[in-house]
Amino acid sequence: EAGVAQSPRYKIIEKRQSVAFWCNPISGHATLYWYQQILGQGPKLLIQFQNNGVVDDSQLPKDRFSAERLKGVDSTLKIQPAKLEDSAVYLCASSNQLVPTDTQYFGPGTRLTVL
Amino acid sequence: DAKTTQPPSMDCAEGRAANLPCNHSTISGNEYVYWYRQIHSQGPQYIIHGLKNNETNEMASLIITEDRKSSTLILPHATLRDTAVYYCTLSQGAQKLVFGQGTRLTINP
Repeated sequence: EAGVAQSPRYKIIEKRQSVAFWCNPISGHATLYWYQQILGQGPKLLIQFQNNGVVDDSQLPKDRFSAERLKGVDSTLKIQPAKLEDSAVYLCASSNQLVPTDTQYFGPGTRLTVL
Repeated sequence: DAKTTQPPSMDCAEGRAANLPCNHSTISGNEYVYWYRQIHSQGPQYIIHGLKNNETNEMASLIITEDRKSSTLILPHATLRDTAVYYCTLSQGAQKLVFGQGTRLTINP
């Protein structure tokens, strides 16, 4: 079974530029998550999708971050404009949610450096 | 904020059992204890979870105290590949995970 795919793996941009990350979840997984992981910290949930609907985006900085999951499969996370403090690893995860305790499977992440 | 407390770092000799503690004194009755680990430059990997009974799988064992206020993850025969950051987190279901800073476990040859 293929895992969660993310691209690009690395991205370097200057502040005030925009950037987009892509995630392809495990086939058939209805729930998709985006996390932000700052160096030395645990991942922090940014947004959770159930199919193509948003379940939780309470920690998403909506003035600069946006995410979509068209057709309930792939998802993109965009930052516009980027700030220095957005330098982090952006992780995508998916889960099947056949039962509430179904585990989340994480992708390798995209490491963003904002200069 | 994370509802769990873990030591920031631990060391263990290769081949020995690694015992990673986690305190969760404010756990509620319907919250599960989940353990994930993150190897350098990879995404977190699920290890095990439990509600109140001890659990074992091919990767590890999870021991939860009777009052559920703490737990221990046991890696029975640690190898160098077990070097990682280990996260203990609580959730009413895996759909809502809040990660703390975890324990950086180093396995020494």
